[in-house]
Amino acid sequence: DTAVSQTPKYLVTQMGNDKSIKCEQNLGHDTMYWYKQDSKKFLKIMFSYNNKELIINETVPNRFSPKSPDKAHLNLHINSLELGDSAVYFCASSRTSGSEQYFGPGTRLTVT
Amino acid sequence: GESVGLHLPTLSVQEGDNSIINCAYSNSASDYFIWYKQESGKGPQFIIDIRSNMDKRQGQRVTVLLNKTVKHLSLQIAATQPGDSAVYFCAERERNAGNMLTFGGGTRLMVKP
Repeated sequence: DTAVSQTPKYLVTQMGNDKSIKCEQNLGHDTMYWYKQDSKKFLKIMFSYNNKELIINETVPNRFSPKSPDKAHLNLHINSLELGDSAVYFCASSRTSGSEQYFGPGTRLTVT
Repeated sequence: GESVGLHLPTLSVQEGDNSIINCAYSNSASDYFIWYKQESGKGPQFIIDIRSNMDKRQGQRVTVLLNKTVKHLSLQIAATQPGDSAVYFCAERERNAGNMLTFGGGTRLMVKP
């Protein structure tokens, strides 16, 4: 059973489109995250949700909007995609804020 | 973590040798540190953690050392195997930043057979 799952694994789209990435965790964790990993493997946190409420929102364009319908899901919607959005996006979860995080397999987004 | 430079530092070791991966962290208020392993095409995977009240912690074939005086963290892998080839990240939990984990830039470990 996959602890943290993301869909889709690959996403290729054109500039200006709107797309969503879904994340689900079956670990019963309270906190979920979205990270962006660039081509140099640098991992940067984008958002953190605790019990469906936003607790961290790093400097991210407001084209990115996370949505947490329940504690087990944190989806990422991106409007008006730009070339610079191309990256691998990872979802993660942790039992509480600041504890060990479990990562999903990543979604490779390519904007052409 | 390691300086966020323009390239990914690479450590190349012979199979069977010991590996040491280093990480310099930035925040003296950080109280918890984690090492993650990321294999190609996968998400980061927890390896071992250490709290700031410890200076050493051992796992299976891995040891983490923490030197708070110089803000340095290292991961030692004994008898390195081809399956250890991956990118390794250190992460620090910053108490004064909402318990957020901040990741270092990563080190690529290549194991030569």
